[in-house]
Amino acid sequence: AQSVSQHNHHVILSEAASLELGCNYSYGGTVNLFWYVQYPGQHLQLLLKYFSGDPLVKGIKGFEAEFIKSKFSFNLRKPSVQWSDTAEYFCAVNAGRDDKIIFGKGTRLHILP
Amino acid sequence: EAQVTQNPRYLITVTGKKLTVTCSQNMNHEYMSWYRQDPGLGLRQIYYSMNVEVTDKGDVPEGYKVSRKEKRNFPLILESPSPNQTSLYFCASSYGTALREQYFGPGTRLTVT
Repeated sequence: AQSVSQHNHHVILSEAASLELGCNYSYGGTVNLFWYVQYPGQHLQLLLKYFSGDPLVKGIKGFEAEFIKSKFSFNLRKPSVQWSDTAEYFCAVNAGRDDKIIFGKGTRLHILP
Repeated sequence: EAQVTQNPRYLITVTGKKLTVTCSQNMNHEYMSWYRQDPGLGLRQIYYSMNVEVTDKGDVPEGYKVSRKEKRNFPLILESPSPNQTSLYFCASSYGTALREQYFGPGTRLTVT
């Protein structure tokens, strides 16, 4: 069965620090990958997605993610975080065979001003 | 305004008392889905629907029912709620399939005593 692992449950950084949130999935075939973000008190919204092509994907608000097929990973990065990036981040995978989406358990990111 | 609405937003009920959580979208989206969010478990997909009269089980369908009689509505039904269904529920929709960006509703916090 598909699964998604997010290694960091809670991350605390200072403003301007660089960010990398890990995401690994367990499926050997074609995958579609997503990162969603949930700001405090708001709906989940899409940050970025990968279907095919360039493995380095750029999303909104300066975020990017790199798909490394050999490592089954899709890590989220941002070179310099801001206080407004405080949120919960979810990695999600679709195995391409159907329309099920598997979400990771989420990473709570807290940015210190 | 394009949106996904859910009602009620908060609900406290007792074990065994049937309830329905409504979900409606005004974007003419084909795909709709229900998730539950629990601490430490992230989002888990309950049911999804590719279009009117087409529904499929997600990862945690037990104890839930859905229907899709109209394109805009996708109610979640708990025939006999139990305390382990206490959770935060999100409805989402997307154009075409789940591979497009999903738009999430504001969530329904359900407590079953």
